[in-house]
Amino acid sequence: AQSVTQLGSHVSVSEGALVLLRCNYSSSVPPYLFWYVQYPNQGLQLLLKYTSAATLVKGINGFEAEFKKSETSFHLTKPSAHMSDAAEYFCAVSGTYGQNFVFGPGTRLSVLP
Amino acid sequence: DSGVTQTPKHLITATGQRVTLRCSPRSGDLSVYWYQQSLDQGLQFLIQYYNGEERAKGNILERFSAQQFPDLHSELNLSSLELGDSALYFCASSSRTGSGNTIYFGEGSWLTVV
Repeated sequence: AQSVTQLGSHVSVSEGALVLLRCNYSSSVPPYLFWYVQYPNQGLQLLLKYTSAATLVKGINGFEAEFKKSETSFHLTKPSAHMSDAAEYFCAVSGTYGQNFVFGPGTRLSVLP
Repeated sequence: DSGVTQTPKHLITATGQRVTLRCSPRSGDLSVYWYQQSLDQGLQFLIQYYNGEERAKGNILERFSAQQFPDLHSELNLSSLELGDSALYFCASSSRTGSGNTIYFGEGSWLTVV
Protein backbone atom coordinates (compact mmCIF):
# COMPACT_ATOMS: atom_id res chain seq x y z
CA ALA A 1 0.00 0.00 0.00
CA GLN A 2 1.09 3.52 -0.70
CA SER A 3 1.08 6.53 1.60
CA VAL A 4 2.26 10.12 1.46
CA THR A 5 3.37 12.58 4.11
CA GLN A 6 3.90 16.28 3.60
CA LEU A 7 5.96 18.07 6.20
CA GLY A 8 4.38 21.38 7.10
CA SER A 9 0.71 22.09 6.65
CA HIS A 10 1.50 25.75 6.05
CA VAL A 11 4.61 27.30 4.53
CA SER A 12 5.23 31.02 4.15
CA VAL A 13 7.88 32.52 1.92
CA SER A 14 8.67 36.01 0.74
CA GLU A 15 8.16 36.95 -2.87
CA GLY A 16 11.33 36.08 -4.77
CA ALA A 17 12.48 33.53 -2.21
CA LEU A 18 13.02 29.82 -2.76
CA VAL A 19 9.98 27.60 -2.42
CA LEU A 20 10.54 24.14 -0.92
CA LEU A 21 7.58 21.88 -0.22
CA ARG A 22 8.41 18.49 1.21
CA CYS A 23 6.90 15.15 0.28
CA ASN A 24 7.85 11.68 1.44
CA TYR A 25 6.18 8.56 0.24
CA SER A 26 5.86 4.93 1.10
CA SER A 27 5.25 2.40 -1.62
CA SER A 28 5.60 -1.35 -1.96
CA VAL A 29 6.03 -1.03 -5.72
CA PRO A 30 7.98 1.43 -7.88
CA PRO A 31 5.93 4.55 -7.44
CA TYR A 32 4.50 7.11 -9.74
CA LEU A 33 4.57 10.47 -8.00
CA PHE A 34 2.63 13.62 -8.65
CA TRP A 35 2.31 17.18 -7.45
CA TYR A 36 -1.01 18.93 -7.81
CA VAL A 37 -1.91 22.54 -7.04
CA GLN A 38 -5.27 23.82 -5.91
CA TYR A 39 -6.02 27.53 -6.21
CA PRO A 40 -8.85 28.94 -4.10
CA ASN A 41 -12.26 27.71 -5.17
CA GLN A 42 -10.83 25.58 -7.95
CA GLY A 43 -10.14 21.93 -8.65
CA LEU A 44 -6.75 20.29 -8.47
CA GLN A 45 -4.40 20.90 -11.37
CA LEU A 46 -1.42 18.75 -12.26
CA LEU A 47 1.93 20.51 -11.73
CA LEU A 48 4.24 17.64 -12.62
CA LYS A 49 4.67 13.90 -12.37
CA TYR A 50 7.47 11.37 -12.01
CA THR A 51 7.23 8.17 -14.02
CA SER A 52 10.82 6.88 -13.76
CA ALA A 53 12.07 8.51 -16.97
CA ALA A 54 14.19 11.10 -15.15
CA THR A 55 14.73 11.84 -11.49
CA LEU A 56 14.46 15.61 -11.95
CA VAL A 57 11.05 16.52 -13.25
CA LYS A 58 10.12 19.93 -14.55
CA GLY A 59 6.56 21.11 -14.36
CA ILE A 60 4.47 24.12 -15.11
CA ASN A 61 4.94 27.61 -13.69
CA GLY A 62 8.65 27.09 -13.00
CA PHE A 63 8.23 24.27 -10.49
CA GLU A 64 10.36 21.17 -10.43
CA ALA A 65 10.72 18.12 -8.20
CA GLU A 66 13.47 15.60 -7.66
CA PHE A 67 12.85 11.94 -7.00
CA LYS A 68 15.25 10.52 -4.43
CA LYS A 69 14.71 6.83 -3.94
CA SER A 70 17.17 6.54 -1.06
CA GLU A 71 15.26 9.19 0.86
CA THR A 72 11.81 8.16 -0.45
CA SER A 73 11.26 11.83 -1.18
CA PHE A 74 9.81 13.93 -3.96
CA HIS A 75 10.22 17.52 -2.80
CA LEU A 76 8.82 20.37 -4.86
CA THR A 77 10.91 23.48 -5.47
CA LYS A 78 10.77 26.78 -7.27
CA PRO A 79 13.72 29.16 -7.29
CA SER A 80 11.73 32.36 -6.93
CA ALA A 81 8.24 32.59 -5.46
CA HIS A 82 5.59 34.73 -7.05
CA MET A 83 2.45 36.04 -5.44
CA SER A 84 0.41 33.92 -7.84
CA ASP A 85 1.98 30.75 -6.38
CA ALA A 86 -0.13 31.09 -3.23
CA ALA A 87 -2.23 27.94 -3.18
CA GLU A 88 -2.58 24.49 -1.65
CA TYR A 89 -0.15 21.87 -2.92
CA PHE A 90 -0.77 18.15 -2.80
CA CYS A 91 1.71 15.35 -3.32
CA ALA A 92 0.29 12.03 -4.51
CA VAL A 93 1.50 8.51 -5.22
CA SER A 94 -0.02 5.78 -7.34
CA GLY A 95 0.65 2.44 -8.88
CA THR A 96 0.30 1.63 -12.53
CA TYR A 97 -3.02 2.46 -14.18
CA GLY A 98 -3.95 4.84 -11.40
CA GLN A 99 -5.00 2.39 -8.80
CA ASN A 100 -4.47 3.32 -5.17
CA PHE A 101 -4.01 6.96 -6.04
CA VAL A 102 -3.19 8.40 -2.61
CA PHE A 103 -2.91 12.08 -1.76
CA GLY A 104 -0.95 13.68 1.02
CA PRO A 105 -2.65 16.09 3.44
CA GLY A 106 -1.55 19.12 1.49
CA THR A 107 0.64 22.16 2.21
CA ARG A 108 -0.74 25.65 2.03
CA LEU A 109 1.79 28.06 0.54
CA SER A 110 1.57 31.72 1.40
CA VAL A 111 3.71 34.26 -0.45
CA LEU A 112 4.43 37.46 1.41
CA PRO A 113 5.14 40.73 -0.41
CA ASP B 1 -10.04 23.40 -18.30
CA SER B 2 -9.36 19.76 -17.39
CA GLY B 3 -12.19 18.39 -19.51
CA VAL B 4 -13.94 16.88 -16.49
CA THR B 5 -17.38 18.37 -15.98
CA GLN B 6 -19.27 18.35 -12.72
CA THR B 7 -22.79 19.48 -11.96
CA PRO B 8 -24.14 21.17 -9.99
CA LYS B 9 -21.40 23.57 -8.93
CA HIS B 10 -23.23 24.57 -5.77
CA LEU B 11 -25.98 22.85 -3.84
CA ILE B 12 -27.71 23.71 -0.58
CA THR B 13 -29.99 21.15 0.99
CA ALA B 14 -31.47 20.21 4.34
CA THR B 15 -30.48 17.44 6.69
CA GLY B 16 -32.08 14.12 5.89
CA GLN B 17 -32.36 14.87 2.20
CA ARG B 18 -30.81 13.07 -0.77
CA VAL B 19 -28.76 14.62 -3.57
CA THR B 20 -27.10 13.40 -6.74
CA LEU B 21 -23.85 14.79 -8.08
CA ARG B 22 -23.01 14.22 -11.70
CA CYS B 23 -19.69 13.87 -13.46
CA SER B 24 -18.71 13.64 -17.11
CA PRO B 25 -15.13 12.42 -17.52
CA ARG B 26 -12.67 13.61 -20.10
CA SER B 27 -13.32 12.28 -23.57
CA GLY B 28 -11.88 8.78 -23.80
CA ASP B 29 -11.23 8.33 -20.10
CA LEU B 30 -12.59 5.08 -18.72
CA SER B 31 -11.85 5.57 -15.03
CA VAL B 32 -13.74 7.90 -12.71
CA TYR B 33 -12.83 8.79 -9.14
CA TRP B 34 -14.80 10.58 -6.44
CA TYR B 35 -13.14 12.55 -3.66
CA GLN B 36 -14.49 14.52 -0.73
CA GLN B 37 -12.63 17.57 0.52
CA SER B 38 -13.43 19.18 3.84
CA LEU B 39 -11.49 21.40 6.22
CA ASP B 40 -11.14 18.78 8.93
CA GLN B 41 -10.67 15.65 6.80
CA GLY B 42 -8.64 16.99 3.90
CA LEU B 43 -8.91 15.22 0.53
CA GLN B 44 -10.53 11.82 1.02
CA PHE B 45 -10.83 9.18 -1.67
CA LEU B 46 -14.35 7.81 -1.85
CA ILE B 47 -14.60 5.41 -4.77
CA GLN B 48 -13.25 4.57 -8.22
CA TYR B 49 -15.02 3.11 -11.23
CA TYR B 50 -13.46 1.71 -14.36
CA ASN B 51 -15.59 1.18 -17.46
CA GLY B 52 -18.73 0.76 -15.44
CA GLU B 53 -17.37 -1.45 -12.71
CA GLU B 54 -16.31 -0.55 -9.20
CA ARG B 55 -12.51 -0.72 -9.04
CA ALA B 56 -11.60 0.58 -5.59
CA LYS B 57 -13.41 1.79 -2.53
CA GLY B 58 -12.11 4.25 0.01
CA ASN B 59 -13.72 6.01 2.94
CA ILE B 60 -17.20 6.05 1.50
CA LEU B 61 -20.09 5.99 3.92
CA GLU B 62 -22.88 3.47 3.52
CA ARG B 63 -25.26 6.40 2.98
CA PHE B 64 -23.31 7.24 -0.15
CA SER B 65 -23.33 5.30 -3.38
CA ALA B 66 -22.03 5.79 -6.87
CA GLN B 67 -22.27 4.29 -10.29
CA GLN B 68 -20.77 4.69 -13.73
CA PHE B 69 -23.09 4.42 -16.69
CA PRO B 70 -22.46 2.89 -20.15
CA ASP B 71 -21.72 6.35 -21.56
CA LEU B 72 -19.05 6.59 -18.81
CA HIS B 73 -20.58 9.45 -16.90
CA SER B 74 -20.85 8.88 -13.18
CA GLU B 75 -23.19 9.87 -10.39
CA LEU B 76 -22.55 10.11 -6.68
CA ASN B 77 -25.66 9.72 -4.56
CA LEU B 78 -25.64 11.08 -1.03
CA SER B 79 -28.60 10.22 1.18
CA SER B 80 -29.81 10.92 4.73
CA LEU B 81 -27.58 13.95 4.65
CA GLU B 82 -25.99 15.26 7.83
CA LEU B 83 -24.37 18.59 8.59
CA GLY B 84 -20.97 16.90 8.48
CA ASP B 85 -21.48 15.94 4.85
CA SER B 86 -21.01 19.56 3.86
CA ALA B 87 -17.92 19.52 1.70
CA LEU B 88 -16.49 19.96 -1.75
CA TYR B 89 -16.94 16.81 -3.82
CA PHE B 90 -14.53 16.26 -6.68
CA CYS B 91 -14.78 13.97 -9.61
CA ALA B 92 -11.63 13.00 -11.48
CA SER B 93 -10.91 10.82 -14.47
CA SER B 94 -8.04 9.00 -16.07
CA SER B 95 -7.41 6.79 -19.04
CA ARG B 96 -6.31 3.21 -18.69
CA THR B 97 -3.36 3.19 -21.02
CA GLY B 98 0.05 4.52 -20.13
CA SER B 99 2.04 4.09 -16.98
CA GLY B 100 1.54 6.37 -14.06
CA ASN B 101 -1.84 7.55 -15.19
CA THR B 102 -2.51 11.15 -14.37
CA ILE B 103 -5.92 11.84 -12.94
CA TYR B 104 -7.65 15.04 -13.99
CA PHE B 105 -9.99 16.85 -11.65
CA GLY B 106 -13.20 18.68 -12.23
CA GLU B 107 -14.00 21.97 -10.54
CA GLY B 108 -15.98 20.27 -7.83
CA SER B 109 -19.49 20.42 -6.44
CA TRP B 110 -19.97 22.44 -3.28
CA LEU B 111 -22.50 20.79 -1.01
CA THR B 112 -23.88 22.67 1.95
CA VAL B 113 -26.19 20.82 4.31
CA VAL B 114 -28.25 23.07 6.59
